[in-house]
Amino acid sequence: AQSVSQHNHHVILSEAASLELGCNYSYGGTVNLFWYVQYPGQHLQLLLKYFSGDPLVKGIKGFEAEFIKSKFSFNLRKPSVQWSDTAEYFCAVNAGAAGNKLTFGGGTRVLVKP
Amino acid sequence: GAVVSQHPSRVICKSGTSVKIECRSLDFQATTMFWYRQFPKQSLMLMATSNEGSKATYEQGVEKDKFLINHASLTLSTLTVTSAHPEDSSFYICSVRVTDTQYFGPGTRLTVL
Repeated sequence: AQSVSQHNHHVILSEAASLELGCNYSYGGTVNLFWYVQYPGQHLQLLLKYFSGDPLVKGIKGFEAEFIKSKFSFNLRKPSVQWSDTAEYFCAVNAGAAGNKLTFGGGTRVLVKP
Repeated sequence: GAVVSQHPSRVICKSGTSVKIECRSLDFQATTMFWYRQFPKQSLMLMATSNEGSKATYEQGVEKDKFLINHASLTLSTLTVTSAHPEDSSFYICSVRVTDTQYFGPGTRLTVL
């Protein structure tokens, strides 16, 4: 069965700092990769996704993620965070064998101090 | 994407009663919807895949007789928690599949007393 690991459970940083959240998955075949964000009191929103093509994917709100197939990773980055980026971030994988099912990582809570 | 709503947003019920949660796709005709539950400070766990006009597909360990799913139209799926118990208290979230991407509803917080 596929699994998704997010290494950091909590991240605290100051405004303007750079952010990188790790995500690794275990599945050897073709995958679709997603990052979702859940702001306090709000529902999950799609930040970005990767299906194929350029492994560097740009999403909304200045976020980007890089797919490194050899490392089974899909790390999320933002060069300069804002207080409004305080949220929980979830990596999710849809592997070919699982059809359209999404497997989520455990989530990373990010707190940006003003 | 798709805009997804859920009703109610919060519900409190007594142990032993049944609760129905609605998931609506407001701007997309969804043949497939998904139901998840999220425990506090944990990730989302897929409960079942709801297919319009056919039976839902449940994940291993999810009791289909306890969590009844009905997907009677392309815009509505319902989850009924039957004979609810305190351990069923959780955050229930639905999603709509648009090609290969899922869009999520705001969730329903169920508290069983």
